[in-house]
Amino acid sequence: GNSVTQMEGPVTLSEEAFLTINCTYTATGYPSLFWYVQYPGEGLQLLLKATKADDKGSNKGFEATYRKETTSFHLEKGSVQVSDSAVYFCAFHPGNMLTFGGGTRLMVKP
Amino acid sequence: GAVVSQHPSRVICKSGTSVKIECRSLDFQATTMFWYRQFPKKSLMLMATSNEGSKATYEQGVEKDKFLINHASLTLSTLTVTSAHPEDSSFYICSVPSGGDDAETQYFGPGTRLLVL
Repeated sequence: GNSVTQMEGPVTLSEEAFLTINCTYTATGYPSLFWYVQYPGEGLQLLLKATKADDKGSNKGFEATYRKETTSFHLEKGSVQVSDSAVYFCAFHPGNMLTFGGGTRLMVKP
Repeated sequence: GAVVSQHPSRVICKSGTSVKIECRSLDFQATTMFWYRQFPKKSLMLMATSNEGSKATYEQGVEKDKFLINHASLTLSTLTVTSAHPEDSSFYICSVPSGGDDAETQYFGPGTRLLVL
């Protein structure tokens, strides 16, 4: 069946460190892939997306590349900030609804 | 982007009472809205799809008589938790699909935290 697996958190980093949050999916076909972010006390917001293989989504310094060969969509940022502390959800759209991973909490310390 | 509001943001109720949660699409009309439930430190689970002018579509395992959904207008959907019990305590989130060429992207409300005593 369709599923999304992302690394469990929490991930704790110092400011300006490099971030990688792994995400892999299982699906038939090639669905669009998303990263959503949930800041403390707020609703989910779309961070970035990619709609086809080899596409790179980017926003606010975050990037993720749609890798068909490895069925992955890892989230990366070269230099995190304290304000990036949030929960990050990988998701995909295999049909008519979004399917989410379990979420990864990121804590960035000054 | 679209703005989606939810009311109330937080509610505490006694066991056995019913609670209504509103979800409003402030920027555009929505024939479809989604209701999710998020358990602590867990991901979002789709509960149901709210359809304007017709019955909601519930996901497997979700009791439709327990979680009543009414899509009253193109900008308003309500979720009523009937005869709430402590196990219904959770974070309830609605979303609105963006529609058009970007129909897969959803705009989420800020969520409603329900605590049933």
